[in-house]
Amino acid sequence: RKEVEQDPGPFNVPEGATVAFNCTYSNSASQSFFWYRQDCRKEPKLLMSVYSSGNEDGRFTAQLNRASQYISLLIRDSKLSDSATYLCVVNISLPVGQAGTALIFGKGTTLSVSS
Amino acid sequence: SAVISQKPSRDICQRGTSLTIQCQVDSQVTMMFWYRQQPGQSLTLIATANQGSEATYESGFVIDKFPISRPNLTFSTLTVSNMSPEDSSIYLCSATDRSFGNTIYFGEGSWLTVV
Repeated sequence: RKEVEQDPGPFNVPEGATVAFNCTYSNSASQSFFWYRQDCRKEPKLLMSVYSSGNEDGRFTAQLNRASQYISLLIRDSKLSDSATYLCVVNISLPVGQAGTALIFGKGTTLSVSS
Repeated sequence: SAVISQKPSRDICQRGTSLTIQCQVDSQVTMMFWYRQQPGQSLTLIATANQGSEATYESGFVIDKFPISRPNLTFSTLTVSNMSPEDSSIYLCSATDRSFGNTIYFGEGSWLTVV
């Protein structure tokens, strides 16, 4: 089973639409969770962290369900500039003997917003 | 936050040769990582670069193929050895620190094409 799985996409939506991305993770000891955005031929950049209580940043809302090991991202009032690949990311502890943590990335969901 | 500089930003290399990618962070960081992103795929963790000791490699990656150095808390190198066309990929350096709240920042990537 893959560690982080996302909706395969692509999502093609008109401007103004609301779109939701889902993600599941397999490691129940995962510590923290993020959504990253990656534009074509660019490096990933942090979009937002995801907290158990849910969090909102403008048009973006992220939610975490630890019991179901499920993460979501909701984008309201989609803009053309939202077109990108959205990566679900989980921070896991490295195995015993290794210090620190590492990020595990989902394969990403591509969003295309059209006028 | 951190600013991460990578070089070269892109290169075209002959098969059988080796290339060293440099990564410089503008502040001292606890953790540095190297990722690979093959065309159309998400990011795959190659290894964690440990300061003052050997890197910790993920399954499928070995030191002979991807030697890594980390002489201090701001700098790391990744070498892709004896390259083949299958090594054509984006190689991304990333870093995090407790002061970043577990957020990982990425360099702009090094685009490698092996011919």
